[in-house]
Amino acid sequence: AQTVTQSQPEMSVQEAETVTLSCTYDTSESDYYLFWYKQPPSRQMILVIRQEAYKQQNATENRFSVNFQKAAKSFSLKISDSQLGDAAMYFCASPHSIQGAQKLVFGQGTRLTINP
Amino acid sequence: DAGVIQSPRHEVTEMGQEVTLRCKPISGHDYLFWYRQTMMRGLELLIYFNNNVPIDDSGMPEDRFSAKMPNASFSTLKIQPSEPRDSAVYFCASSTGAGGYTFGSGTRLTVV
Repeated sequence: AQTVTQSQPEMSVQEAETVTLSCTYDTSESDYYLFWYKQPPSRQMILVIRQEAYKQQNATENRFSVNFQKAAKSFSLKISDSQLGDAAMYFCASPHSIQGAQKLVFGQGTRLTINP
Repeated sequence: DAGVIQSPRHEVTEMGQEVTLRCKPISGHDYLFWYRQTMMRGLELLIYFNNNVPIDDSGMPEDRFSAKMPNASFSTLKIQPSEPRDSAVYFCASSTGAGGYTFGSGTRLTVV
């Protein structure tokens, strides 16, 4: 079975500091994307960042960046200069292909609290 | 682009009643997914469609659940009869097949 493991159920960080959320995954795909989604209290699932597995360069989106270690199947999310609006549940997701479609398998999530 | 549109946003119903959740995917997206989110089980894939055809419904919990996609712009998830343990947030998402999903705002279902 495809699995995604987020080992930190909860994390907290001081505003303006940097925090890293961990994720490990298991996939049999050779070419795939990995994703981090954010779910604020509004419950909307928002795509934060994605990484193409064949690219060696780590993806970056403004204050969000990833540390992708393909061999180790590790995909952590770094949030720099944390802001109050970053408080949310964060989900890591990896693909599992069935009949040509990549369905996403999600981790259990990490609840991030930002302390003012 | 209005994104993925789900309705209703909230639904409260009595046990035994039929519930229908609706979803309009993003135009041009060939794949549509229904997920259920609970505190205990997280995000679970219930079923997904490709070009309006159900591909994998192994996540549908039991026969009380059914899903249809009569055309490329509309899908329904129906629960009949509903039970309190069906209470959850149900998400619809659409995709081009790779590169990530776009989620709807979800329907919070409460069965009393």
